[in-house]
Amino acid sequence: DAKTTQPPSMDCAEGRAANLPCNHSTISGNEYVYWYRQIHSQGPQYIIHGLKNNETNEMASLIITEDRKSSTLILPHATLRDTAVYYCIVRVVGYGQNFVFGPGTRLSVLP
Amino acid sequence: SAVISQKPSRDICQRGTSLTIQCQVDSQVTMMFWYRQQPGQSLTLIATANQGSEATYESGFVIDKFPISRPNLTFSTLTVSNMSPEDSSIYLCSVEFGTDTQYFGPGTRLTVL
Repeated sequence: DAKTTQPPSMDCAEGRAANLPCNHSTISGNEYVYWYRQIHSQGPQYIIHGLKNNETNEMASLIITEDRKSSTLILPHATLRDTAVYYCIVRVVGYGQNFVFGPGTRLSVLP
Repeated sequence: SAVISQKPSRDICQRGTSLTIQCQVDSQVTMMFWYRQQPGQSLTLIATANQGSEATYESGFVIDKFPISRPNLTFSTLTVSNMSPEDSSIYLCSVEFGTDTQYFGPGTRLTVL
């Protein structure tokens, strides 16, 4: 079973920041937090991952709480093309460690 | 990252037949994975394919139904055998790059009539 809990859906106005929460209260010390998204039944797209420090790349920022029991993915300026299902996954880093996908959050960016 | 392609992108098949899905990567990778995504559902891992060894199947998936080949470090196939309408899904391959991240192919949308 997935080790994360996400809201099933969220709306965001175009141009505003989208903040997607994820709870992972049973996360272990060697588990990373990963975010992927899936746009209209395409293959999932990697967004970002982190262990305990906040991370930022060209797509998004990942904020992990100090106790690591929850995190937030931030899309700073959401566009219509960011409409997708966003998956938060916790996973041990290592060869052959598969990803367990939960139902994710369906983000709708509205004009 | 890796560039991953899958063939076919979609197909419509008759029940009782088999379909082989190809996954090609532009780099040599050790681990490849096959997932299934049933309509309206999330992804479920079918099996892990390591070059030079037998694929490892997850609970609920068997080799007779989903045989996998991994002849080299850039290619793998998944066959969906003796298909029924319940096999209608999107089938996705993914590859592990380093130890950090998996990258996914575009998927194969299969409809079984």
